[in-house]
Amino acid sequence: DTGVSQDPRHKITKRGQNVTFRCDPISEHNRLYWYRQTLGQGPEFLTYFQNEAQLEKSRLLSDRFSAERPKGSFSTLEIQRTEQGDSAMYLCASSLGQVNTEAFFGQGTRLTVV
Amino acid sequence: SQQGEEDPQALSIQEGENATMNCSYKTSINNLQWYRQNSGRGLVHLILIRSNEREKHSGRLRVTLDTSKKSSSLLITASRAADTASYFCATGSTGNQFYFGTGTSLTVIP
Repeated sequence: DTGVSQDPRHKITKRGQNVTFRCDPISEHNRLYWYRQTLGQGPEFLTYFQNEAQLEKSRLLSDRFSAERPKGSFSTLEIQRTEQGDSAMYLCASSLGQVNTEAFFGQGTRLTVV
Repeated sequence: SQQGEEDPQALSIQEGENATMNCSYKTSINNLQWYRQNSGRGLVHLILIRSNEREKHSGRLRVTLDTSKKSSSLLITASRAADTASYFCATGSTGNQFYFGTGTSLTVIP
């Protein structure tokens, strides 16, 4: 499979629990992005990595959120002390990291906080 | 923040008709991408147009870009029921991340 892979596809968790999502980008892509999408809205930028370096974080990414890309390959997004407002689709994308190159998305992880 | 804004928010057409949706944005861009999203699924990349390009084609898709008006349009010709989806524009600038609009929901009636 040469596409972007996200795991799990669905996650239901109780409020206050921690959750972690994984994203495996397309293998030769050095740039990786995380987005969040709520129902009826477009994806909102959260953060992105160039190789293992996290270069930008949105103000949407509160201190309960942390993202890593330890070896410049897969990435994880952790949400601590989840809140009901965290319920959303979390999307990962990757690109070659050059200007004017397409970004390709995974199928997303749908998080439901109950 | 979401920079792009698609218009219309919803569009319903008969199979075989053409569908046009527009995207307006606020700041200078390097490129603009269009994506399709089927209900509850991930985004599928359709086409990327660079800021120095005015028009681009891919199969039944035609994208235009007018940087002076900060707008883009996506035309789908000879629509099919399978084209039913939400369509988003995403603008890329020097900040390297890209921002999405609110989307156009297209329904193609068989």
